[in-house]
Amino acid sequence: GDSVTQMEGPVTLSEEAFLTINCTYTATGYPSLFWYVQYPGEGLQLLLKATKADDKGSNKGFEATYRKETTSFHLEKGSVQVSDSAVYFCALRKGASGGSYIPTFGRGTSLIVHP
Amino acid sequence: DTAVSQTPKYLVTQMGNDKSIKCEQNLGHDTMYWYKQDSKKFLKIMFSYNNKELIINETVPNRFSPKSPDKAHLNLHINSLELGDSAVYFCASSQLFGGAFYEQYFGPGTRLTVT
Repeated sequence: GDSVTQMEGPVTLSEEAFLTINCTYTATGYPSLFWYVQYPGEGLQLLLKATKADDKGSNKGFEATYRKETTSFHLEKGSVQVSDSAVYFCALRKGASGGSYIPTFGRGTSLIVHP
Repeated sequence: DTAVSQTPKYLVTQMGNDKSIKCEQNLGHDTMYWYKQDSKKFLKIMFSYNNKELIINETVPNRFSPKSPDKAHLNLHINSLELGDSAVYFCASSQLFGGAFYEQYFGPGTRLTVT
């Protein structure tokens, strides 16, 4: 079945450091890929997405590129802030025509940013 | 303008009791989900309904019973609560058919504590 693997956390950085959170996936067909962010005490919210190979999703300074050849969707940010401290989830989803209704999430990576 | 709302936000109850969690979405989506998030932030999908029809029913004890009176509402009833049911339960919605990107919108969560 489909799966998503994320690097284990926590990832601890100082403010203004460069961030990379690795995500690789296994899936048949052509999934869409997502990064969700969960701030403390809140639900998940969509951070960015990419729907086909070589697409780059971006939002709030975060970027991720859909790499079909390496089945990866790594999350990057050039300069993190304390307010970026959260749990980040990589996920994939195929359309209804893809034969699977089940969204697949990684286990989440906690990011802690110190001032 | 809450997109996905859940009630209650906190639920503290004793073992053996029966409780319900309610969810409503005003996004016009055709599909709703229940997830369970454990203390390590692992997100497990439990159920999903598309236009009131059950389409995902993962390995969940039959003490858990979802009900969807219409496509904007999805409730979760739990019988004979156990200590292991303590978790945060998230409701989510998305467009399954005809949606371009299939991202999900999450509610704020219901923290269930069983004592």
